[in-house]
Amino acid sequence: GEDVEQSLFLSVREGDSSVINCTYTDSSSTYLYWYKQEPGAGLQLLTYIFSNMDMKQDQRLTVLLNKKDKHLSLRIADTQTGDSAIYFCAEIKDGNKLVFGAGTILRVKS
Amino acid sequence: GAGVSQTPSNKVTEKGKYVELRCDPISGHTALYWYRQSLGQGPEFLIYFQGTGAADDSGLPNDRFFAVRPEGSVSTLKIQRTERGDSAVYLCASSMYKNPGNEQFFGPGTRLTVL
Repeated sequence: GEDVEQSLFLSVREGDSSVINCTYTDSSSTYLYWYKQEPGAGLQLLTYIFSNMDMKQDQRLTVLLNKKDKHLSLRIADTQTGDSAIYFCAEIKDGNKLVFGAGTILRVKS
Repeated sequence: GAGVSQTPSNKVTEKGKYVELRCDPISGHTALYWYRQSLGQGPEFLIYFQGTGAADDSGLPNDRFFAVRPEGSVSTLKIQRTERGDSAVYLCASSMYKNPGNEQFFGPGTRLTVL
């Protein structure tokens, strides 16, 4: 998805916080999403945020949205080895189709 | 079923052959989507069904690709005269029409390899 950009790789120590960043281009997107993909597994929806919100918290996950800069971030508190995966940011276009970034590989070192 | 299922999980074919990939959405989900994920990339949209009709097929790369959903539930993605560049993981997702958040739930995918 050339419309959505993410950094390719992030490495953190177990117990630290992880912050994965994303920029998108379509200011009319009503929702923005974070998906997680583990090796050999399908995409798991982690959380989403409505475009009129600045922040959404769900247990260890915090999503921040800066609509002016079209910047989205996902913070994972107390990162665990089980959080190692590829994380995809996505925006919704034309009401229905998801446009994904290339994904950020999160590696958690124990 | 509990989630979206896709068959086969793996498909190996030869260049020029025809393949069909099947998707069983979550029961009661009216919307169904096909995406394609190449190695090292995020999924790319192919086609979206609302009920039996294709509401948006703008992502299909060319006329070798076709998808159907005749009874508004199971969908089949059909690829004619396969090429090596068609090798990818084909993902299917479903959602409830107008659900809050437009959440799409993905199946495990079919890995297609064209030799």
